Amino acid sequence: NAGVMQNPRHLVRRRGQEARLRCSPMKGHSHVYWYRQLPEEGLKFMVYLQKENIIDESGMPKERFSAEFPKEGPSILRIQQVVRGDSAAYFCASSATSGGHREQYFGPGTRLTVT
Amino acid sequence: AQSVAQPEDQVNVAEGNPLTVKCTYSVSGNPYLFWYVQYPNRGLQFLLKYITGDNLVKGSYGFEAEFNKSQTSFHLKKPSALVSDSALYFCAVDGGSQGNLIFGKGTKLSVKP
Repeated sequence: NAGVMQNPRHLVRRRGQEARLRCSPMKGHSHVYWYRQLPEEGLKFMVYLQKENIIDESGMPKERFSAEFPKEGPSILRIQQVVRGDSAAYFCASSATSGGHREQYFGPGTRLTVT
Repeated sequence: AQSVAQPEDQVNVAEGNPLTVKCTYSVSGNPYLFWYVQYPNRGLQFLLKYITGDNLVKGSYGFEAEFNKSQTSFHLKKPSALVSDSALYFCAVDGGSQGNLIFGKGTKLSVKP
């Protein structure tokens, strides 16, 4: 039973380019969460999606960031016109159902470096 | 607003000694509390959670945590530390009905032989 898959594991982008991060949830999971981890800090919630729906994007920056979870395929976190401050580790997590009592299973993360 | 605090940036323990990693929380209503562990360049691994019931929760790898409502704490414990327990530990609380997690800043646990 494969866990949460994320790719790429490392991504280097120049300022102004676009970054696309992919996440495939655990088999049978239809709830996906994206978190960002800045150096020396804990994880910060960005967005929560179910298939074809954004449920909560309260942690997502208003500009340049978007996320989707299509009916088929992985969830995508897209960052347009990246800046140095976007350099961070981005983690995806999935759960089988919604609700605060459900543990989330995390992927290995994508480490984005903006040069 | 829900929040979590981990007052120690780092905890140093000798192998074989008991360890405690501290966590306090602030929530409205009944909390759902979690501990995760992160090894270098890896994602977070779920250790244990408190939802309701017994205040002492047992989890993976011999870890346990004690929920204390009066002190609003959820400290992680292990009776006998291993060198392989060295990692970054995160306490988290449910951020609301949608299930997103609010994490503490993390505590680096270092276990020396």
